[in-house]
Amino acid sequence: DAKTTQPPSMDCAEGRAANLPCNHSTISGNEYVYWYRQIHSQGPQYIIHGLKNNETNEMASLIITEDRKSSTLILPHATLRDTAVYYCIVDGGSQGNLIFGKGTKLSVKP
Amino acid sequence: NAGVTQTPKFRVLKTGQSMTLLCAQDMNHEYMYWYRQDPGMGLRLIHYSVGEGTTAKGEVPDGYNVSRLKKQNFLLGLESAAPSQTSVYFCASSYSNREGYEQYFGPGTRLTVT
Repeated sequence: DAKTTQPPSMDCAEGRAANLPCNHSTISGNEYVYWYRQIHSQGPQYIIHGLKNNETNEMASLIITEDRKSSTLILPHATLRDTAVYYCIVDGGSQGNLIFGKGTKLSVKP
Repeated sequence: NAGVTQTPKFRVLKTGQSMTLLCAQDMNHEYMYWYRQDPGMGLRLIHYSVGEGTTAKGEVPDGYNVSRLKKQNFLLGLESAAPSQTSVYFCASSYSNREGYEQYFGPGTRLTVT
């Protein structure tokens, strides 16, 4: 089972920042936090990952709390194309696979 | 770079028929994975490979076989298709299976078994 808890759905206005929360209270010291998204009918797309420090790339920022029990993915200026299911993943399987939960369905509205 | 590609994109099979799904990656990745995704659910691992010539079972391997004869290709076979195998199949690859390495996914193959 996934070790993360995410809200099932969120709305965001176009052009505004989208802040997607994730709880991972049982995360262990060497486990990374990964974020992927899946736009309807497409393959999952890697967004960002981090261990302890906050991370930023061209797509998003990842804020991890100091105790590492939760994190927030920030899309700074959401567009309609960011409408997707966003998955927070911290539990890699023993084979190196990703264990997906149900994610958060983000709807960006005009 | 094309990344990860999958062939075919769509397929309809009758129960008992066989088929092979092809996954190809041009990133020189060692690790490759086959997942399936059923409606409203997350992805589940079918089989995976840690390098050319190696394969191993994942979470839901029954009814599937795989081969990795070349580093860049990972084939998923269904010997006798069943309606329960109706799903979307995703292939992924990564440089390493250690923590901190992301996986790259293909566009998926939508399979319907009637």
